[in-house]
Amino acid sequence: AQSVTQLGSHVSVSEGALVLLRCNYSSSVPPYLFWYVQYPNQGLQLLLKYTSAATLVKGINGFEAEFKKSETSFHLTKPSAHMSDAAEYFCAVSRSGNTGKLIFGQGTTLQVKP
Amino acid sequence: ETGVTQTPRHLVMGMTNKKSLKCEQHLGHNAMYWYKQSAKKPLELMFVYNFKEQTENNSVPSRFSPECPNSSHLFLHLHTLQPEDSALYLCASSPPPGQRSYEQYFGPGTRLTVT
Repeated sequence: AQSVTQLGSHVSVSEGALVLLRCNYSSSVPPYLFWYVQYPNQGLQLLLKYTSAATLVKGINGFEAEFKKSETSFHLTKPSAHMSDAAEYFCAVSRSGNTGKLIFGQGTTLQVKP
Repeated sequence: ETGVTQTPRHLVMGMTNKKSLKCEQHLGHNAMYWYKQSAKKPLELMFVYNFKEQTENNSVPSRFSPECPNSSHLFLHLHTLQPEDSALYLCASSPPPGQRSYEQYFGPGTRLTVT
């Protein structure tokens, strides 16, 4: 069975500091992996996706993630945090058999301090 | 309208009321989903529809009744809800299985409060 674990339910960084949000997955087949962002009282917006092409994936708003098969990880990073990055972030893996359904992690709330 | 839209954005209803949530996608997708997002809980997948047919019901109570009249529209009919049903209800859509992209596109959600 596939699963996703996001390490740390809350992450706090200073404005301008590096953002690192951790995601580890479990999958018996090559996975498709996604990061979504959710601002308060809004839906989820796709930040980036890994679909077995380049292992370093660039997304919107300056975010990127690296797929590391040996570590079963797909951590999200941004070199310099901005106040507008404060939100909840979800990592997700596609269900086996590529049915289109996603399994989501618990989410990580990112706080950005001035 | 583009993307996935949901109406209403906010809904307050009593436990004896009947109401419906509406979702519409303008992306040409064939799969649609209902999720429940409660405070401090992970996203819960409720229902999945592919080509208008329900393909998954994750043990959702019968007081939630989905309807998918066509690939662009999805409804969630609500009746005799409980206070614990208060949550953000999210609709999503995705391309059919077998296509190269597997991401889901979400609507803004309906914030439901049951009094």
